[in-house]
Amino acid sequence: KQEVTQIPAALSVPEGENLVLNCSFTDSAIYNLQWFRQDPGKGLTSLLLIQSSQREQTSGRLNASLDKSSGRSTLYIAASQPGDSATYLCAVSSREKLTFGTGTRLTIIP
Amino acid sequence: KAGVTQTPRYLIKTRGQQVTLSCSPISGHRSVSWYQQTPGQGLQFLFEYFSETQRNKGNFPGRFSGRQFSNSRSEMNVSTLELGDSALYLCASSLSPGTSYGYTFGSGTRLTVV
Repeated sequence: KQEVTQIPAALSVPEGENLVLNCSFTDSAIYNLQWFRQDPGKGLTSLLLIQSSQREQTSGRLNASLDKSSGRSTLYIAASQPGDSATYLCAVSSREKLTFGTGTRLTIIP
Repeated sequence: KAGVTQTPRYLIKTRGQQVTLSCSPISGHRSVSWYQQTPGQGLQFLFEYFSETQRNKGNFPGRFSGRQFSNSRSEMNVSTLELGDSALYLCASSLSPGTSYGYTFGSGTRLTVV
């Protein structure tokens, strides 16, 4: 059974800092890994999708890496802004469903 | 292009009633999956449909059911509602299941059972 863990559960950093969110999964037989952002009471917004054959993906200030063999992914956010405050979720796609981590609640302090 | 549309956005029901939630996927997407999000359990997979067939089902009681129509729109039904069914129900669409395309989520339906 696939299990996904995200560390830390919560993170507060001053505006402008670079930060890293971590995600680990137990079964390396995945199609891909997605990072999502969720604002309070809202749905999920896809940030980055990394295929199982890829090592990283970049979009603007965001960079996500994937090490399938070790079951790890990181989301790097450069030059953080108050608008980045949200819960960040990673999800692995396998056996025709997504398995989600519990998320990291990020607060950027102005 | 239009995203994933879920209706209604909010719903209040009484314990014992039943409820139907609707999801319209992105045009051209034929796979629709449903997730339940609660503070205690996080995001949990309910089921996935592709071409009107249920392809995968999560570990939920039989009170939770769904279907998919020929236009790929999907409905989820919960019968005999319990207080613990209060949650945000999210629908996701994809080109096909087990895919490298990724999933796009709707804004969700907030169900409150009183």
